[in-house]
Amino acid sequence: TQLLEQSPQFLSIQEGENLTVYCNSSSVFSSLQWYRQEPGEGPVLLVTVVTGGEVKKLKRLTFQFGDARKDSSLHITAAQPGDTGLYLCAGAPHFGGNTGKLIFGQGTTLQVKP
Amino acid sequence: GAVVSQHPSRVICKSGTSVKIECRSLDFQATTMFWYRQFPKQSLMLMATSNEGSKATYEQGVEKDKFLINHASLTLSTLTVTSAHPEDSSFYICSATRTGGYYGTGELFFGEGSRLTVL
Repeated sequence: TQLLEQSPQFLSIQEGENLTVYCNSSSVFSSLQWYRQEPGEGPVLLVTVVTGGEVKKLKRLTFQFGDARKDSSLHITAAQPGDTGLYLCAGAPHFGGNTGKLIFGQGTTLQVKP
Repeated sequence: GAVVSQHPSRVICKSGTSVKIECRSLDFQATTMFWYRQFPKQSLMLMATSNEGSKATYEQGVEKDKFLINHASLTLSTLTVTSAHPEDSSFYICSATRTGGYYGTGELFFGEGSRLTVL
């Protein structure tokens, strides 16, 4: 069974601080997605990374896919209260075909205090 | 972007009744939809994979007679919680993946979620 270990699970920081969320696995993924979810709503896709070593930037968010496609990180620079939410990483297993069935990390609840 | 709509967003029911939640893909065809359950501040727990025109595939530990899934068309899947009890109270979310397109990216588009409260 493939697992994605996401850390930290809870993070409370002050506005302006930087943070990094990690997702690690011993298995290879074809792609990895990062989602953000606000209370009472469904997750919203932030980014998809596909190539080992790939780095994508979305304003103050930087996403990286490990060279071996087994891990990924999300770095937020100068966090703002609007960044508050649940961040989820999800990987598409390398083996098993394009079923759409993703492996989810445990989630990181981020709270950014003004 | 792709839109997946869920209805109702909130439902309150009495213990013993059944509740149906709909999941629609509004601007694309989805041969596969997924149903998840989520507890507060936790990740998504996959309940079942809904396949258009065939029986759903349930994850281990999920009662198929309790959570009935029907995927009658390429744009609609329904989850019926039968004989609901207070422990079934939760946030239920559906997602859909596009048919065709780039093979392998695995991107999912999620519904808004449905909050079920069983009294």
